Amino acid sequence: NAGVTQTPKFQVLKTGQSMTLQCAQDMNHEYMSWYRQDPGMGLRLIHYSVGAGITDQGEVPNGYNVSRSTTEDFPLRLLSAAPSQTSVYFCASSPNRDRDSETQYFGPGTRLLVL
Amino acid sequence: GNSVTQMEGPVTLSEEAFLTINCTYTATGYPSLFWYVQYPGEGLQLLLKATKADDKGSNKGFEATYRKETTSFHLEKGSVQVSDSAVYFCALNNAGNMLTFGGGTRLMVKP
Repeated sequence: NAGVTQTPKFQVLKTGQSMTLQCAQDMNHEYMSWYRQDPGMGLRLIHYSVGAGITDQGEVPNGYNVSRSTTEDFPLRLLSAAPSQTSVYFCASSPNRDRDSETQYFGPGTRLLVL
Repeated sequence: GNSVTQMEGPVTLSEEAFLTINCTYTATGYPSLFWYVQYPGEGLQLLLKATKADDKGSNKGFEATYRKETTSFHLEKGSVQVSDSAVYFCALNNAGNMLTFGGGTRLMVKP
């Protein structure tokens, strides 16, 4: 099992450019989510999905789009990058929404710099 | 709403010292509580968790007890090692699988 994988590891964008951060998991997890990590603010939830075809907004969704066409993949799209989106992005997955299966498995992160 | 507050770092300790990282929370109902650890250059890993009041989570010598009366989940370790140097995040889960994180506490252990 590769677990949760993310690509790229590091990316530099210019303001207004678009890009997609990739996330994949091979554990057949139903639940997937995207967080951003900023200094002193912990991780904040951007979007999440409880299964293929179902997505919803988290705490800080503005400027980001997601889709979930398969169980394995959950890409995060920035349509028009802004400097405020400079951050480290983590994808996570977990088996289901049952209260006893709350452990989330995190990918290694994507560091994004928007100039 | 939900919130998690943890002590600001960095916390710098000598090897074999006692560690406490404070964490308090605000939530309705009965959240589950977690400590995650992030080693340099890596993603977060679950360190321990507790799902109800008075539960004690433990792993790798770390412990934390769910204290509902004080809404706290402080992380402790009796003797830290250099390899424990990392950033520690306290978090809660109050609905589905959405985690609310504290700001993180960086721990540096010197030999």
